[in-house]
Amino acid sequence: KAGVTQTPRYLIKTRGQQVTLSCSPISGHRSVSWYQQTPGQGLQFLFEYFSETQRNKGNFPGRFSGRQFSNSRSEMNVSTLELGDSALYLCASSLVGGNYGYTFGSGTRLTVV
Amino acid sequence: AQSVSQHNHHVILSEAASLELGCNYSYGGTVNLFWYVQYPGQHLQLLLKYFSGDPLVKGIKGFEAEFIKSKFSFNLRKPSVQWSDTAEYFCAVNADRGSTLGRLYFGRGTQLTVWP
Repeated sequence: KAGVTQTPRYLIKTRGQQVTLSCSPISGHRSVSWYQQTPGQGLQFLFEYFSETQRNKGNFPGRFSGRQFSNSRSEMNVSTLELGDSALYLCASSLVGGNYGYTFGSGTRLTVV
Repeated sequence: AQSVSQHNHHVILSEAASLELGCNYSYGGTVNLFWYVQYPGQHLQLLLKYFSGDPLVKGIKGFEAEFIKSKFSFNLRKPSVQWSDTAEYFCAVNADRGSTLGRLYFGRGTQLTVWP
């Protein structure tokens, strides 16, 4: 079956712009979570959605937001981009979370200039 | 809050050497435990996971891990590493139930370099 698909793979944006990243989970998976990966901070949890509801949220500013659609596809949005937002953004999908395991996508590499 | 510690930031081994990567977590409840691997330029891949039962779990590519509940540890092992095992390894935990059910807590990662 198809894996977790993230689009686009690469993005270059300028400071102050906003960006939307997309994640299509494995068919049937209802939990989608987002992580930011940087060399300095490692893997940081952004938020998790389950059945269109945000179930968990990490310690990121309000510029970072997300949503999940009825088909479980998810988007995350970053407004007013800062240089420090440059990172690999990873999406993970799970049947329901917990002990069902998580499958990660290839990520979107965001560069803010 | 849960936290995960990986003690080794960078491990360098020769081929055929044995590997053990340490992982400790802090959480008072029941947890699920994972080891992920990230090869250069690739996405995170699940090596193995522990939910319950036999504390010694076997994963892909000859890796295994042992859950020691009394020590809050989940160390990753491989008897004989190969050059192709060069990658970054991440330990992760999540709560088995409760409000943080869908959230993985990751360690900072261990970069493994294997010399041929």
